[in-house]
Amino acid sequence: EVQLVESGGGLVQPGGSLRLSCAASGFTFSSYWMHWVRQAPGKGLVWVSRINSDGSSTSYADSVKGRFTISRDNAKNTLYLQMNSLRAEDTAVYYCARASIRGPYFDYWGQGTLVTVSS
Amino acid sequence: QSALTQPASVSGSPGQSITISCTGTSSDVGSYNLVSWYQQHPGKAPKLMIYEVSKRPSGVSNRFSGSKSGNTASLTISGLQAEDEADYYCCSYAGSSTSPVFGGGTKLTVL
Repeated sequence: EVQLVESGGGLVQPGGSLRLSCAASGFTFSSYWMHWVRQAPGKGLVWVSRINSDGSSTSYADSVKGRFTISRDNAKNTLYLQMNSLRAEDTAVYYCARASIRGPYFDYWGQGTLVTVSS
Repeated sequence: QSALTQPASVSGSPGQSITISCTGTSSDVGSYNLVSWYQQHPGKAPKLMIYEVSKRPSGVSNRFSGSKSGNTASLTISGLQAEDEADYYCCSYAGSSTSPVFGGGTKLTVL
């Protein structure tokens, strides 16, 4: 059974940093591109970042470029999102999502982890 | 790349059919069959319902169907059931080298 379990969320002050993790199981993690998608309270889904299967290529939404870094450890079956210079508008539930091996859509999602940026 | 446009809300009675639209541009929805749809119940993770405009993943009810005309994709739910009440999001790419963009979401209410 495919499972994605996020962790690392919490309350952080503006300007602070946080690292999210997404532990994957039930599939060959190293074969799949992975994404982070966020959802502000009461708002819609917004794509944040993606990384290819071996970690050699990454992409970011303009709103987080230069502040967030996506990475992965295929030996540990874990996806990461390092978030620096956090702003109030980064407050959201952050989901990790697996991109299907057959095409650009998200076939499995984690349960999400809440990041709150507030003083 | 701008967000795709969805109606904020739709509603229907049990047994009826509803359609949710998702309007993009000739650069994304109109040019590529890369539209997907996700269902999200309150407090839950999104779930893939439709991919590549009209394909259904294994396990998704055949009451859910997708289509596209020009720059607008649509999700149709037939035989509405109470459990279908949820938020629905469309998503598209503008070619393989670009980033995905979501619609603003549509809240479906089953009356």
